[in-house]
Amino acid sequence: DIQMTQSPSSLSASVGDTVTITCRASQAIRNDLGWFQQKPGKAPKRLIYAASSLESGVPSAFSGSGSGTEFTLTISSLQPEDFATYYCLQYNSYPWTFGQGTKVEIK
Amino acid sequence: QVQLVQSGADVKEPGASLKVSCKASGYTFTDYYIHWVRQAPGQGLEWMGKISPRGGNTDYAQRFQGRVTMTSDTSTSTVYMELSSLRSDETAVYYCARTLSGSSSSYWGQGTLVTVSS
Repeated sequence: DIQMTQSPSSLSASVGDTVTITCRASQAIRNDLGWFQQKPGKAPKRLIYAASSLESGVPSAFSGSGSGTEFTLTISSLQPEDFATYYCLQYNSYPWTFGQGTKVEIK
Repeated sequence: QVQLVQSGADVKEPGASLKVSCKASGYTFTDYYIHWVRQAPGQGLEWMGKISPRGGNTDYAQRFQGRVTMTSDTSTSTVYMELSSLRSDETAVYYCARTLSGSSSSYWGQGTLVTVSS
């Protein structure tokens, strides 16, 4: 199975900050990666697909980059509603695998 | 609008089977795979597998092979996920989702909490 390692596991940031979350794959996955946001008690919501394509309706403050084994999710100018847990998902090889999550908390 | 509506919470004893339904509406049911993802309390997301409602083709995560069965009923636009031989550590919220990969919009069900306890 492909292991997806996210870092950091958690971070504290202030409204207006720019934050970056990294996801590393244990083997190359081209750009077969998505990013998801999950708030407590809610279903996940996809933000990014194909590593850098923005889901329809998602604010442009969210951006993704990377290819191969290293990927990043950047949130520019953090808003109160952005405090949540973020997951990457690789869909290059079965079984599809999620990173362990990054919790973004208010400083 | 696209909706995925799942069946309600359930309690199962260890060793029993669970069966969760996911009823789709607002789009052509047979055009998109449905995925199943679960989340144990306080834990991360785990992909379990997917089914094509068009032909019933499935891909399961190896760790669930032999215990999981995903089926679809095109007459009711409903997908089912059955997991057998449940263990207590399989207490989780089970989600169905449409479009985890690809450029079409992604939609998720509201989740179904299944508690495995004696």
